[in-house]
Amino acid sequence: DVQLVESGGGLVQPGRPLRLSCAASGFALEEYSMHWVRLVPGKGLQWVSGLSWNSGSIAYSDSVKGRFSISRDNAKNSLYLQMNSLRPEDTALYYCARATPPYSGWYNYDSWGLGTLVTVSS
Amino acid sequence: QSELTQPPSVSAAPGQKVTISCSGSSSNIGNNYVSWYQLVPGTAPKLLIYENNKRPSGIPDRFSGSKSGTSATLGITGLQTGDEADYSCGTWDSSLSAVIFGGGTKLTVL
Repeated sequence: DVQLVESGGGLVQPGRPLRLSCAASGFALEEYSMHWVRLVPGKGLQWVSGLSWNSGSIAYSDSVKGRFSISRDNAKNSLYLQMNSLRPEDTALYYCARATPPYSGWYNYDSWGLGTLVTVSS
Repeated sequence: QSELTQPPSVSAAPGQKVTISCSGSSSNIGNNYVSWYQLVPGTAPKLLIYENNKRPSGIPDRFSGSKSGTSATLGITGLQTGDEADYSCGTWDSSLSAVIFGGGTKLTVL
């Protein structure tokens, strides 16, 4: 079965960094574009960043551009999100999501993790 | 404020039908596929509808999707108490070069 497990969330002070990880299993990670999507209380889902299957395309939402960096290690079946200069408005439940179909999918997410909670507060 | 507009809440009785609307523009819904997701606290979001009206394997045909112009609609028939959840639409916005979602609609099965 396809499984995505996020980790790395926690309470962090404004301006500090945090690195999220997503461990994938049950499928060939290298065949899929992978994304980070966050759930902000009261505001719904917000797309954060996406990385194509071959890492040739990388995209960020305007709200995190220049502060967050997405990467993947296919050998370790893992996706990462390096978050720098965190702000209170980055507080959210962060999900790792797989885009389908393989290779060409970008904004249709057929598998999600349970999420990891990030709280930015002093 | 989301680029896709959904009603904050809808409700209906068990066994009844409900529709949830998602309104956008020509830069998003008007020219791209729409997906629908079910969000239940403590569980992973679930894809219900993709490419406007297709159901992934395992999703019952009580769930349906449609699109017309710059709006999309999720329909749920034969409502069950287990359908109580938040529902969110999503698509690509060609002007923003970003994936966008609606603000979510909370379904209450009375």
